[in-house]
Amino acid sequence: TQLLEQSPQFLSIQEGENLTVYCNSSSVFSSLQWYRQEPGEGPVLLVTVVTGGEVKKLKRLTFQFGDARKDSSLHITAAQPGDTGLYLCAGELGGATNKLIFGTGTLLAVQP
Amino acid sequence: NAGVMQNPRHLVRRRGQEARLRCSPMKGHSHVYWYRQLPEEGLKFMVYLQKENIIDESGMPKERFSAEFPKEGPSILRIQQVVRGDSAAYFCASSPLPGGEAFFGQGTRLTVV
Repeated sequence: TQLLEQSPQFLSIQEGENLTVYCNSSSVFSSLQWYRQEPGEGPVLLVTVVTGGEVKKLKRLTFQFGDARKDSSLHITAAQPGDTGLYLCAGELGGATNKLIFGTGTLLAVQP
Repeated sequence: NAGVMQNPRHLVRRRGQEARLRCSPMKGHSHVYWYRQLPEEGLKFMVYLQKENIIDESGMPKERFSAEFPKEGPSILRIQQVVRGDSAAYFCASSPLPGGEAFFGQGTRLTVV
């Protein structure tokens, strides 16, 4: 069974701090997506990374895909209360399946 | 451009009843995925459909669950004879291409009483 482990599971920080969330697997993914989910809502796509070693920046968020396409990280600079939410990584296995394997999630709380 | 629409948002069923969850994909998207999110657990893949075809149902429970995506109309996830363990949030996602970026609906929260 493919598994994506995210760490940390929970993170509570003060506004202005930096943080990194990790997403690790023993499986190779054709692409990896990061989502943010708020209570009572569906996941909202933040970014898709496809190439090993790829780095993408989205304002204060930096996403990196590992060289071997087995892991990824999300770094947030100067966190704000609006960043609070559940962050999910999801890997696509490719082939005929195309399904996403979701990580266990990181619940982030940014205190003002 | 409307996003993925799911209805109902909330559904309460008694044990033994049937639950029908609907998903209208984004315009131009012909690939639909259903995921289930149990309390305290992550999102788990259930089924992947294209118009009129089930492509991958490896995540579907063997009994009581079925899905369809007809030529016209929304995709339907059907759960027969619901049990308390079926209580969860069910999310639908759509993409324009196989394996393309998936966009999620707001989910249907099923509660079995």
